[in-house]
Amino acid sequence: GAVVSQHPSRVICKSGTSVKIECRSLDFQATTMFWYRQFPKKSLMLMATSNEGSKATYEQGVEKDKFLINHASLTLSTLTVTSAHPEDSSFYICSARRPTSGRAHEQYFGPGTRLTVT
Amino acid sequence: RKEVEQDPGPFNVPEGATVAFNCTYSNSASQSFFWYRQDCRKEPKLLMSVYSSGNEDGRFTAQLNRASQYISLLIRDSKLSDSATYLCVVNKGGQAGTALIFGKGTTLSVSS
Repeated sequence: GAVVSQHPSRVICKSGTSVKIECRSLDFQATTMFWYRQFPKKSLMLMATSNEGSKATYEQGVEKDKFLINHASLTLSTLTVTSAHPEDSSFYICSARRPTSGRAHEQYFGPGTRLTVT
Repeated sequence: RKEVEQDPGPFNVPEGATVAFNCTYSNSASQSFFWYRQDCRKEPKLLMSVYSSGNEDGRFTAQLNRASQYISLLIRDSKLSDSATYLCVVNKGGQAGTALIFGKGTTLSVSS
């Protein structure tokens, strides 16, 4: 199956600092990547859709100035959490869309990044 | 109404049992449907896509009823390794490949 990597897998940072998370599709080109957040015992919540070469589309309630997304190439998207606060502590997961020959464009997920803000 | 609703679970079944999960979705424009599996503190992994004609993959069978906006997953001959959370997922918009909306998931625990 398709492989998507994320880095780092785990990060602890102090309040007020910024953290960058990378998402890479390793064996296919992804024109579209997605960023999700998952709190404990909750479902994944879509934060934004990242399109290569254009601005990300943010979901309602997600601050675009706080969660900066850059999709610089067909294999790399980055999410930067700026001025992190403890309430930003969560599991951040990216996914990459891989067009298939079937009717559904499947998405493959990275292993996630667990962010803890102290 | 939530965009994707699933059985609350948890489902606790013995090995070899057959178990069925149900899911309903609210957006009639959704075109793509999936079941994902998520293990504790891990990322979701695609289990199978769901098509109107129904599809089967080994012990797993998925069904879609567009008129009722209802999706199901049947697991036969449950194994211990099937223990996980199963996520019902539909695409957000009218086109295949747009962002996905996840249900909260149904937890399955298979015991020996």
